[in-house]
Amino acid sequence: KAGVTQTPRYLIKTRGQQVTLSCSPISGHRSVSWYQQTPGQGLQFLFEYFSETQRNKGNFPGRFSGRQFSNSRSEMNVSTLELGDSALYLCASSLTGTGGRNEQFFGPGTRLTVL
Amino acid sequence: AQTVTQSQPEMSVQEAETVTLSCTYDTSESDYYLFWYKQPPSRQMILVIRQEAYKQQNATENRFSVNFQKAAKSFSLKISDSQLGDAAMYFCAYRLPRVDTGNQFYFGTGTSLTVIP
Repeated sequence: KAGVTQTPRYLIKTRGQQVTLSCSPISGHRSVSWYQQTPGQGLQFLFEYFSETQRNKGNFPGRFSGRQFSNSRSEMNVSTLELGDSALYLCASSLTGTGGRNEQFFGPGTRLTVL
Repeated sequence: AQTVTQSQPEMSVQEAETVTLSCTYDTSESDYYLFWYKQPPSRQMILVIRQEAYKQQNATENRFSVNFQKAAKSFSLKISDSQLGDAAMYFCAYRLPRVDTGNQFYFGTGTSLTVIP
């Protein structure tokens, strides 16, 4: 079974631009979460989508948004990029709901650099 | 607030020796799940071990084991017989089995482990 894939792997943008990142979860997984990883900050939760609905959102400005399609693939968008948005963006998929010991399976990440 | 603290930003261990990575967390919930994830350089994060808070017995996975102290809200990871392939960033995390938090994981800032040949 293929793992979580993210595209693109690397991205360079300039301030003020917008960017869209894509994530394809493991087949059968309906939950997709997004995290921002920066040195010294660890992983900060952005949002989670489950069955095309945003189920939970972290403490990020409205410039960060996402969506999920009927095939569970997810995209996240960052508008009006700032230098501080430079980070590794990780996508993680889980099988389903809130119960149990759901493990999150992570993708390789998209390295975003904002100049 | 839900927080996870890893007080050791960097650690090193000699190959074949044992090392313990510390983690403390803060939650008012009584039911939760704890995890250790490993992120090798330029590679994907993978699950190392997990622990259910309602279980008193410490989880073990081959050379990896945890020391779970619920009252102290402590969840340390012990790696025995360290191997070069264990070199990575290690993240402690937990999640709550609640509808409003979904699959959100709360992560620490990580501990970078170096294994010395």
